[in-house]
Amino acid sequence: GEDVEQSLFLSVREGDSSVINCTYTDSSSTYLYWYKQEPGAGLQLLTYIFSNMDMKQDQRLTVLLNKKDKHLSLRIADTQTGDSAIYFCAVSNAGKSTFGDGTTLTVKP
Amino acid sequence: KAGVTQTPRYLIKTRGQQVTLSCSPISGHRSVSWYQQTPGQGLQFLFEYFSETQRNKGNFPGRFSGRQFSNSRSEMNVSTLELGDSALYLCASSPVPPGNALEQFFGPGTRLTVL
Repeated sequence: GEDVEQSLFLSVREGDSSVINCTYTDSSSTYLYWYKQEPGAGLQLLTYIFSNMDMKQDQRLTVLLNKKDKHLSLRIADTQTGDSAIYFCAVSNAGKSTFGDGTTLTVKP
Repeated sequence: KAGVTQTPRYLIKTRGQQVTLSCSPISGHRSVSWYQQTPGQGLQFLFEYFSETQRNKGNFPGRFSGRQFSNSRSEMNVSTLELGDSALYLCASSPVPPGNALEQFFGPGTRLTVL
């Protein structure tokens, strides 16, 4: 089945850019998502990209998709302490979503 | 518009018991998915319902079951609870049918502890 992998931890300084990476195995994935989970809360959809797109920018967030390498990344510009959370990459195909294990982002003041 | 609500938020059960969790999707959403989140296994897909029909199912034993009502509210049931069933159970709703899952909106989850 589909496999989605992410590095587990990332630590950055406030004001720097954060880049969270994700790789997946199913080339037929149609939608690719980034979710944010804060302590004690459910997942919040941050942004998504269609598989026929290379890039999507939404305010401080930039998503890059390399379909050839099956690589998805999320760049957060000017990272703030409020961005500290777990970030999940997810891919979906035919209505079924597969999530990565999440990357814990820690932002140091 | 109210978000996805899940009840109860916290639950403590003992091994062998059964449990029923409830999810009310966003008004107008007809697709409801359930996920199990544990530190060791991450976020695992349980099943997805659309218009009262189960459309997709993850790789979980038959002790895990679900249903969806005509008002799109969904319940999941776990019978003969095991210690390993302790997890955060997340429900997500979507306005579109399976196969066109553009966005999923997650509820806050039900934290189940099995003693």
